[in-house]
Amino acid sequence: DAKTTQPTSMDCAEGRAANLPCNHSTISGNEYVYWYRQIHSQGPQYIIHGLKNNETNEMASLIITEDRKSSTLILPHATLRDTAVYYCIVRVAGEEYGGSQGNLIFGKGTKLSVKP
Amino acid sequence: DAGITQSPRYKITETGRQVTLMCHQTWSHSYMFWYRQDLGHGLRLIYYSAAADITDKGEVPDGYVVSRSKTENFPLTLESATRSQTSVYFCASRSGTNTEAFFGQGTRLTVV
Repeated sequence: DAKTTQPTSMDCAEGRAANLPCNHSTISGNEYVYWYRQIHSQGPQYIIHGLKNNETNEMASLIITEDRKSSTLILPHATLRDTAVYYCIVRVAGEEYGGSQGNLIFGKGTKLSVKP
Repeated sequence: DAGITQSPRYKITETGRQVTLMCHQTWSHSYMFWYRQDLGHGLRLIYYSAAADITDKGEVPDGYVVSRSKTENFPLTLESATRSQTSVYFCASRSGTNTEAFFGQGTRLTVV
């Protein structure tokens, strides 16, 4: 899987948009970009994923550059409960039965602190 | 209740003991995973399973054994626990090749 690069930490004011960047310059054409977050002591939680088009759901928006070498996760109105470590992961879809290519491999992520 | 559950939530065991961590999911998801999380290492994949009776090693499988006789269960066994296996263990499942994974609440294991 392609590796990702994320800032170690970021701060955001409550109520403002949080924009979390991720670089994945070696991403392959069949690899998706996934975002998960982990709130302290809890299991990781899925946020959103995309291939090349921008995506939006009730939690966040995902903006992928046209060359697919980077992406940004946007939390439109950050709250204190959004304080967490955010992981950007790239993985293939449609892996072979029993194959490892589609496994989620976590990096260090970005620690987002939302402040009042 | 629907979901993925891990048990126990907390466990203290002695070096050399065998200990089994349980993971149960109610969705009949094909894929299941075990991760460990340590300070400074993040989440690392131990073992995964694509279906019942099919398991494979992840990044850090040494010292662990898994089985998957039923789709809904994926136990992780430490055959002879060591202090280096003190960690928080997370189980996860997903249904298909391009779907989100759901994680359990974790088991905090301390080996003394």
